Parts: sequence; structure tokens; C-alpha cells
Amino acid sequence: NAGVTQTPKFQVLKTGQSMTLQCAQDMNHNSMYWYRQDPGMGLRLIYYSASEGTTDKGEVPNGYNVSRLNKREFSLRLESAAPSQTSVYFCASWPLPYTEAFFGQGTRLTVV
Amino acid sequence: DQQVKQNSPSLSVQEGRISILNCDYTNSMFDYFLWYKKYPAEGPTFLISISSIKDKNEDGRFTVFLNKSAKHLSLHIVPSQPGDSAVYFCAANLGSGNTGKLIFGQGTTLQVKP
Repeated sequence: NAGVTQTPKFQVLKTGQSMTLQCAQDMNHNSMYWYRQDPGMGLRLIYYSASEGTTDKGEVPNGYNVSRLNKREFSLRLESAAPSQTSVYFCASWPLPYTEAFFGQGTRLTVV
Repeated sequence: DQQVKQNSPSLSVQEGRISILNCDYTNSMFDYFLWYKKYPAEGPTFLISISSIKDKNEDGRFTVFLNKSAKHLSLHIVPSQPGDSAVYFCAANLGSGNTGKLIFGQGTTLQVKP
């Protein structure tokens, strides 16, 4: 049982480049989330998907797009990367509110 | 506006003593709270949770206390062990049904000294 899997684990981008962060979960959870972690800022919600076919903005959605491809997969796209998007990105899946959410190992992204 | 706040960026305690990590929140609509633990280069892992209808939940060495009137919760670790050294995040659930989301605090780095 792999849980939540994120790819890639590390990435360096040049300013203006685009990329997609992939996330897949094998726990049949309805909800999936993308967070970014920055020093002193904690985990901030970028986008979330409460169920297949729906997506909503979180606290810091600017500069990002998401796709809930199916129940298993939730991808995060940076169309034109900026240095301010240098961060560690975490994907999470959540069976239901009032339970625990499960996190992936993270993607460390550096934009130069 | 930070709805979940952990005002202490770091905490250092001696092995065997009690560690108390604090969390304050502003939104009275939060109805479920969780603590997560994070080691370097790993994803956060769930530690303990509490519903807003309770004021205490205990799991082994970990106890979470909730004071709704003060909008404050705390995590007690007794006794603290060196392996507890990690970043601890407080999180709050907003919403119900299938539309809930988790809002996290900034985190507190706990160091337990042998």
C-alpha cells in the first residue's frame, strides 16, 4: 500500500518555465489537496478537490492550476514559474472531514 | 489572515520532561483539530486529534487539550523523548460533509535534549 505518491521529489526550474507536479493516492479517498511549505509560514493550502470533477481555490492559488484527472490523481501545474514559487509542495488525500489526512513525501522545487 | 497560529517557532526541553505546544485559532467555525508531526525530508504524519465537543483527548504520551472559549488548544507530550524532536503543526477542519479543508498553523520546532 503506497499511500500518497508524489513525483518528482526534486526539481530545479528556470524562471518562466512550466511544469506539472504529479500526485496519486491508492486509498480511494474522495478529497485531495495541494499545500506549500515555506519557512515561518507553515503549510498553506493552494488548491483542493473535494471529489472527482471538482476543484476549489485555497489560500494561495495565484500562479497555479490543478487538474483532478480521476479519483486517484490530482496534479498541480505551474505555467510560468517564478522565484517566489520556490518551496516544498505536499499533496494530501483525505477520506472525509473529521478524520486524518495523509500526506505524500513532498516535492522540493527551486526556481532560479 | 492567519486563522491558525502557533506563536512559538521553537521549543527546547530536556528528555523526560513535559513538552507543551500551543495553538490559537480565530475562526469559531472550526470544529475538529489535529496535530501533525514532521521530520525533515518527510511528509507530515498524523499524531492526534480532538473534536470541538470534547476538551481533552489522550493517546499514550500525547494529550491534546481544547479550550473553546479561549480558542486555544495545546499538545502535551509526557515524557518527552529525543525521537520526538520534529516540527509540530496544528491544523483545524473547516467545513462539513465532503467539502471540508484543513487549515494549518506555522509549526513549532521541538528539540528534546538527551
